[in-house]
Amino acid sequence: AQTVTQSQPEMSVQEAETVTLSCTYDTSESDYYLFWYKQPPSRQMILVIRQEAYKQQNATENRFSVNFQKAAKSFSLKISDSQLGDAAMYFCAYRRANDMRFGAGTRLTVKP
Amino acid sequence: SAVISQKPSRDICQRGTSLTIQCQVDSQVTMMFWYRQQPGQSLTLIATANQGSEATYESGFVIDKFPISRPNLTFSTLTVSNMSPEDSSIYLCSVGRDRGTYEQFFGPGTRLTVL
Repeated sequence: AQTVTQSQPEMSVQEAETVTLSCTYDTSESDYYLFWYKQPPSRQMILVIRQEAYKQQNATENRFSVNFQKAAKSFSLKISDSQLGDAAMYFCAYRRANDMRFGAGTRLTVKP
Repeated sequence: SAVISQKPSRDICQRGTSLTIQCQVDSQVTMMFWYRQQPGQSLTLIATANQGSEATYESGFVIDKFPISRPNLTFSTLTVSNMSPEDSSIYLCSVGRDRGTYEQFFGPGTRLTVL
């Protein structure tokens, strides 16, 4: 079974600084998708960024970027110029066909 | 993207009763998913509901406890039956693309408290 591991239950970053959230996954497949989702307190889960496994280039979305290491099965999220609104639970997710798995989540606190 | 609404947004129920949660999507989708999320925890998939076929349940979840309906491509319901306090959780509806980017979109969730 595919598993997704987020080893950092909590992270903290100073406003305007950069933070990296870690994620590793286990799969025997070569074609799959990886995602980072953000869930603010009491609010809806939204997609932050996605990565197709067949693409070598790391995905970027404004201040959010990933470091995708396929051989190492690692998929970290870097948030640059952190803002107070970035405070949330962040979930790493793996998907192949109908199988989608989520990590346990990392709670990010942003200090003013 | 897909806009998903859920009803009710929250409810407080008595032990032994049942609650049906509705999920409405603003576009036709093939795959719909139901998740359970304890506050501050990750998501656990309950079942996958495709229109025209019976829902597929994950290990630990059974149809008698969580019956699901999927009458059309924009709507689904999840019933939590014979509730106990252990069923207190957030229940999330999600829809997924079956091609292209394969991302999933989530509803706002239903916060259920069982007394």
